[in-house]
Amino acid sequence: TQLLEQSPQFLSIQEGENLTVYCNSSSVFSSLQWYRQEPGEGPVLLVTVVTGGEVKKLKRLTFQFGDARKDSSLHITAAQPGDTGLYLCAGERYTGNQFYFGTGTSLTVIP
Amino acid sequence: GAGVSQSPSNKVTEKGKDVELRCDPISGHTALYWYRQRLGQGLEFLIYFQGNSAPDKSGLPSDRFSAERTGESVSTLTIQRTQQEDSAVYLCASSVRWSEQYFGPGTRLTVT
Repeated sequence: TQLLEQSPQFLSIQEGENLTVYCNSSSVFSSLQWYRQEPGEGPVLLVTVVTGGEVKKLKRLTFQFGDARKDSSLHITAAQPGDTGLYLCAGERYTGNQFYFGTGTSLTVIP
Repeated sequence: GAGVSQSPSNKVTEKGKDVELRCDPISGHTALYWYRQRLGQGLEFLIYFQGNSAPDKSGLPSDRFSAERTGESVSTLTIQRTQQEDSAVYLCASSVRWSEQYFGPGTRLTVT
C-alpha cells in the first residue's frame, strides 16, 4: 500500500495550458517535498513545505501544503515543454528518518 | 565533484550473481539514502545512514540486500543472488539536513 498517492498518474497537455497535480495521504507529515525527475537522472528538489496551509511560489509553479498536513498540490501556470518530467512528492513523518515518495505524475507538455 | 556520483551507471548481470553498487556523496553530507525505482514508478526507500549512528535498514526488501558506509564517505549497496525482480534503477541521495536530499543519476540494474 502506497502512503502517498499522486493524481493524475499521466498528464499530456499543450504548451500554455495550466495544470494541477495532487498528492494525497491519510497520514500526517512534518514536511512535504516536491521533486522533478528527467529520464536517466535522479530527482531534483523543487520545494519543501513545512507549515500546514503554506503556499510557496517558484516562478510559474505554486505549491500548497494542506491545512491538516496530509496532502499537497502543485499548480503550473502556462506550462512549457521544459516542464516535461516525472513529478514526485515525498513526505517526511514525525517518527523515523524515512521519506515516503508518492507514485509520481508523468507530465508531457507538447509544443 | 560537485554532486552525488554513482557507479556503474548501468549493470547487466545474470540471475544468481552478486552485484555491488557504489555511491559517492557530496563532501560534508552526513546523511546518505538508498532508494529503488522500478520503471515509471516512485521511489522505494531502502536504507538510511546518518553519521556514525546505526543505519535505518527498515526498507531493505530481503536479507539478500545489504549496504555499508565508511564514516561520511562512500557507500556500497550489495545485492546477493540477484533475481529478475531486482531489476530497477537504484538511486543514492545525500544531505546535510533531512529535508534537502541531493540525488545521484542512479545505477540501472538489469538481471537476465
